[in-house]
Amino acid sequence: NAGVTQTPKFQVLKTGQSMTLQCAQDMNHEYMSWYRQDPGMGLRLIHYSVGAGITDQGEVPNGYNVSRSTTEDFPLRLLSAAPSQTSVYFCATSRGSSTGELFFGEGSRLTVL
Amino acid sequence: GQSLEQPSEVTAVEGAIVQINCTYQTSGFYGLSWYQQHDGGAPTFLSYNALDGLEETGRFSSFLSRSDSYGYLLLQELQMKDSASYFCAVRERSDNTNAGKSTFGDGTTLTVKP
Repeated sequence: NAGVTQTPKFQVLKTGQSMTLQCAQDMNHEYMSWYRQDPGMGLRLIHYSVGAGITDQGEVPNGYNVSRSTTEDFPLRLLSAAPSQTSVYFCATSRGSSTGELFFGEGSRLTVL
Repeated sequence: GQSLEQPSEVTAVEGAIVQINCTYQTSGFYGLSWYQQHDGGAPTFLSYNALDGLEETGRFSSFLSRSDSYGYLLLQELQMKDSASYFCAVRERSDNTNAGKSTFGDGTTLTVKP
């Protein structure tokens, strides 16, 4: 079992470019979410999903889109990258929507020039 | 909304015991979790308190008091490898979906010295 897989691990973009960060899980988890972590900071929730076809916004959703067409995948789309979106992005999943343990991917390090 | 406060830095010596506190403000939540993150790595789950009281997992224990809006992580028999950042997180109820979205504190950097 791979757990939570994020791709790419590293990406450099120019301002205005768009891209998609991929997150795939093979644990049949209902809940999936995206966080960003800036240097020396905690994790801020961007978007989350409680199942296929259901998504909701977190604390910092502006500039990002998500969709959940399958249980396994939860891609995060940057519509028009800005330097303020330079960060490390983590995908996290959990078995249920109220259980305590989140399982994290290894992270995707994004730099926007 | 949600806010969590924890100390930014804690230093201790090998073999000692350290407690990292977390205070929070919330209108309703499922429980309080703790995560460890080493430099350059992903957060990993340590402990979860759904109910008031103490949860023990090996050298790590976590405590929750809902009436005091307070929790802590206790690390015993500190080892050099425990040097990392530690985050508390509240699994709070969403207004829209009743789903438990997790909100994290800014983290506590623990430095263990020989």
